[in-house]
Amino acid sequence: QKEVEQDPGPLSVPEGAIVSLNCTYSNSAFQYFMWYRQYSRKGPELLMYTYSSGNKEDGRFTAQVDKSSKYISLFIRDSQPSDSATYLCAMSDPGNYQLIWGAGTKLIIKP
Amino acid sequence: DGGITQSPKYLFRKEGQNVTLSCEQNLNHDAMYWYRQDPGQGLRLIYYSQIVNDFQKGDIAEGYSVSREKKESFPLTVTSAQKNPTAFYLCASSIVTGATNEKLFFGSGTQLSVL
Repeated sequence: QKEVEQDPGPLSVPEGAIVSLNCTYSNSAFQYFMWYRQYSRKGPELLMYTYSSGNKEDGRFTAQVDKSSKYISLFIRDSQPSDSATYLCAMSDPGNYQLIWGAGTKLIIKP
Repeated sequence: DGGITQSPKYLFRKEGQNVTLSCEQNLNHDAMYWYRQDPGQGLRLIYYSQIVNDFQKGDIAEGYSVSREKKESFPLTVTSAQKNPTAFYLCASSIVTGATNEKLFFGSGTQLSVL
């Protein structure tokens, strides 16, 4: 079993829809949770960074962490075609800065 | 503009050949990393370096080598011992403040293929 599970998709939704992307994990020591966005054949860029549990909002993006369920989510409101990309989750525990990555979910927003 | 520059964008390797991927950053970051990305898999760490003249193996270091002679540069050599080198290679950097889990900044990647 992988430490971090992420559905690879593709997930295809119409423009304007609310998108929900998710990762599950098995290591209860994880405290740092990140979402990166990667356009095709480009390097990932950090979207959201969350420590421990709770929600964090930045514009159209909301990151949610549920440590009791070992489940993290990224919500995208009013989705745009420019949001079409692969979304990677990554996480780590204190004292171990090596990130553990999900496989990435490919998101397609249809105009 | 500050950032990370990887070159070349595409690289082809012949049987038995060593090839070197370049990574340069002008962000004044102390730490640099090399990741390998294969379709359908998460990023896997090859090597990382937190300071000049020092580096550590990641999860999949076999068949790869690195050097860190300058703060700005962290080249990766894919040796002939790496039997399955076809992949997308990503270089990243981060600030080292003593805290863990620093945010990573990535280059645009190099696609390596075998002829």
